[in-house]
Amino acid sequence: GDSVTQMEGPVTLSEEAFLTINCTYTATGYPSLFWYVQYPGEGLQLLLKATKADDKGSNKGFEATYRKETTSFHLEKGSVQVSDSAVYFCALSDDNQGGKLIFGQGTELSVKP
Amino acid sequence: DGGITQSPKYLFRKEGQNVTLSCEQNLNHDAMYWYRQDPGQGLRLIYYSQIVNDFQKGDIAEGYSVSREKKESFPLTVTSAQKNPTAFYLCASSITGQGATQYFGPGTRLLVL
Repeated sequence: GDSVTQMEGPVTLSEEAFLTINCTYTATGYPSLFWYVQYPGEGLQLLLKATKADDKGSNKGFEATYRKETTSFHLEKGSVQVSDSAVYFCALSDDNQGGKLIFGQGTELSVKP
Repeated sequence: DGGITQSPKYLFRKEGQNVTLSCEQNLNHDAMYWYRQDPGQGLRLIYYSQIVNDFQKGDIAEGYSVSREKKESFPLTVTSAQKNPTAFYLCASSITGQGATQYFGPGTRLLVL
């Protein structure tokens, strides 16, 4: 079945460092891809998404490009802030099953001042 | 404000007891979802509904039940058959269609006494 694999955390960076969180997927069809962010004790918030190959999603300085040839959707940010500390989830949607989301295990990011 | 509300924020269950988690949305979304989150893991789908009076099992439906009598509401009951109910439960909603974004509520944390 479809699946998502993302790099394990926790990831610890200094403020203004470059961030990459790797995400690869396995899917039989052409899924849409998402990055969600979760702050402690809260629900998930959509960070960005891409619905077809070569699309780039971007928001708040984060970006990710849908790469069909490498089945990847890596999250990047050029300069992280302390406020970016959170857990980041990569997900794909399975439109053959009511649009359910299949999540990676999450990557915890901690940014130190 | 439009959004998804979940209540209560914390819920305690005694052995052999059924408990119900509330999820309400005023986004006029047709589709609603229930996910379970365990520490250090991604989210797993329990049930979903794409239209009123209809719902389908997700990947981990055993020990749970749902109803969808109104478009705005999708309550989840954790029955006594669920032997390991301690988790963070998240409700989401979306429009139907390819690549639709799911919007999440703040979550309910269920603990067993």
